[in-house]
Amino acid sequence: QSVLTQPPSASGTPGQTVTISCSGSTSNIGSRPVNWYQHLPGTAPQLLIYSNNQRPSGVPDRFSGSKSGTSASLAISGLQSEDEADYYCAAWDDSLNGYVFGTGTKVTVL
Amino acid sequence: QVQLVQSGTEVRKPGASVRVSCKTSGYSFTSYEINWVRQAPGRGLEWMGWMNPSTGNTGYAQRFQGRVTMTWNTAIRAGYMELSGLRSDDTAVYYCARGDFDASGYFFDYWGRGTLVTVSS
Repeated sequence: QSVLTQPPSASGTPGQTVTISCSGSTSNIGSRPVNWYQHLPGTAPQLLIYSNNQRPSGVPDRFSGSKSGTSASLAISGLQSEDEADYYCAAWDDSLNGYVFGTGTKVTVL
Repeated sequence: QVQLVQSGTEVRKPGASVRVSCKTSGYSFTSYEINWVRQAPGRGLEWMGWMNPSTGNTGYAQRFQGRVTMTWNTAIRAGYMELSGLRSDDTAVYYCARGDFDASGYFFDYWGRGTLVTVSS
C-alpha cells in the first residue's frame, strides 16, 4: 500500500492538457521535494520532473510539475500519442526513512 | 554516456535466493548511489533500498529488511541485489537506478532496463 495516492487513470485528446495529482503527507511531500517518472511497459522508467518542478535535459517543456502543501501535480500540455504511459510521483519519506512511489496513473490519449 | 546494464532473466523456486547485477559505465561509480526498484505484474513501482559505494552504507525498505542484501564491486563498477527466501509474490521486474542529489532533493536519473525474476515451483 503506497503512501502517495494518485488517480488510477487519466485521459485526453491530442493537444489537450492532462493533470495528474499526487497526495501525500507531512512526512513526504509536505517536507521533501517531489519527483515524477514516466514508465512505458517493457522499458526503463524515465525521470520526468525532479525537485518539484525541474526538467532534466531532453524532457519537453510540455511537462511541468508543481507542489503545494502535501500534494503535487504533473501537467502534460499539448498531449501527444507518445505520452501514453504510466506516471508515478515519488518522494523521500522521513517517517519510513525510505523512498516512496505513488500508486501510478495510466494516461491514455484518446 | 551513462549506462546501467542488468543481468538476464532468472527463474527460481520458492525459498531460493537470486542475485541481480547492474554494471555501470559513463560516470564515476563511487560518486553516486545505486537504488533498486521492482515492479510486480500489474502493480506499481516499489523501492527496495539503496547502496553507497563511497561510504559503504546501505539502506533497505522495511518490508525487505532481513531478506535483501545490496553489495558492489568498485573495480568492475557493478552493483548487486540479492533477495533470499523467495516467494511467488517476489515475481517481478527488478530495476537498478542511479541516485543523485541536487540542492534540495534526491531522485533517480538513470535506470537499467530491468531483470525479470520469476518465482515458481
